[in-house]
Amino acid sequence: TQLLEQSPQFLSIQEGENLTVYCNSSSVFSSLQWYRQEPGEGPVLLVTVVTGGEVKKLKRLTFQFGDARKDSSLHITAAQPGDTGLYLCAGVGWDYKLSFGAGTTVTVRA
Amino acid sequence: GAVVSQHPSRVICKSGTSVKIECRSLDFQATTMFWYRQFPKQSLMLMATSNEGSKATYEQGVEKDKFLINHASLTLSTLTVTSAHPEDSSFYICSASPDPSNYGYTFGSGTRLTVV
Repeated sequence: TQLLEQSPQFLSIQEGENLTVYCNSSSVFSSLQWYRQEPGEGPVLLVTVVTGGEVKKLKRLTFQFGDARKDSSLHITAAQPGDTGLYLCAGVGWDYKLSFGAGTTVTVRA
Repeated sequence: GAVVSQHPSRVICKSGTSVKIECRSLDFQATTMFWYRQFPKQSLMLMATSNEGSKATYEQGVEKDKFLINHASLTLSTLTVTSAHPEDSSFYICSASPDPSNYGYTFGSGTRLTVV
């Protein structure tokens, strides 16, 4: 059973459009992380959110952490082809182990 | 900083042979490293936690005699897939952190294992 549910599984949009990826957890983790992975490479950390209600911005990416610390979202504004990739949310356990969501494959068409 | 190097990036082996994958932390020491496997178009599944100087701890369903882990130094962990079979073909990735309570994890670039 996946502890973290990600939606949608696939997302294909035109360059310049906005997109949102959701991550919902059945458990409360010590923190939640978002990663981006390109084919044939390991995931790269984008952000860590810790506090309920937290909002973090990374250029055109906005990350939100729900008040109950069980849900999170990633919003990309004016998506570009370079944003194409697999986006993964991961819960950091109190033992520092990561539990990954199933991932969202984002394709941005030029 | 916090660079993790994984080698080899790709390997093809025959059924029944063993393959060793190395994971090195280049600019920090890691008492703990993690090994994952990832099937095509799927997420990462944690296989085991590699502990420097002690036995690895394996996740439920992962055969410890098939996936041998050695963490002999603070900068190197190895995963050996023994008596490999085609169903072991997968993408194997390691990760480590200089301080997991304050820093995120850095992942290696992965090893694509194909067993023929």
